[in-house]
Amino acid sequence: DIPMTQSPSFLSASVGDRVTITCRASQSISRYLNWYQQKPGKAPDLLIYAASRLQSGVPSRFSGRGSGTDFTLTISSLQPEDFATYYCQQSDQTPYTFGQGTKLEIK
Amino acid sequence: QVQLQESGPGLVKPSETLSITCNVSGGSISSTYWSWIRQPPGKGLEWIGYTFYTGSTKYNPALKSRVAVSLDTSKSQFSLKLSSVTAADTAVYYCVREGYDRGAYFDLWGRGTLVTVSS
Repeated sequence: DIPMTQSPSFLSASVGDRVTITCRASQSISRYLNWYQQKPGKAPDLLIYAASRLQSGVPSRFSGRGSGTDFTLTISSLQPEDFATYYCQQSDQTPYTFGQGTKLEIK
Repeated sequence: QVQLQESGPGLVKPSETLSITCNVSGGSISSTYWSWIRQPPGKGLEWIGYTFYTGSTKYNPALKSRVAVSLDTSKSQFSLKLSSVTAADTAVYYCVREGYDRGAYFDLWGRGTLVTVSS
């Protein structure tokens, strides 16, 4: 298995802030890294795939970077609808594994 | 527009087998990999396994001895069976489509079905 570690686990921010979430893989996964957003009571939604490619319909304020073991998800200007939990996920090899999640809360 | 809908029992007794079906509508099931992912209440996501329309499967080693995923193209459905369940298997179970572009990703999710293991 490839454990994925996200930081921070909790993040408090305000509307308009720029925030960055980090995801680290225990070994190199090239660019096989995806990001999801999950709101309470809902299934996750795909935001970013292949480390930096924006899923269709996702606002451009979301961006992803990284390769190898270190990755980031950045939201350039937080909107009220962005307060949610974010997960990274590696697809380099099975079993696919997820980070533990980062809960983004309103300050 | 492709949609996924899980149907399951809601409540399963310890030591019994959990069975959930996912109905795929609005598109072909014979085109990609189909996965099951679960999420215990208040916790993170765990990939259970996937199937392809050819019948090939792959499972999470942590669950491999208890899990079976199958696909029925004639009904446009795929299914999950998890045997010998315990309270630790209580979770929301999602059926999920796998997309591929420079790598695999989960681009379409069902709403999820909560399965509680309790006597």
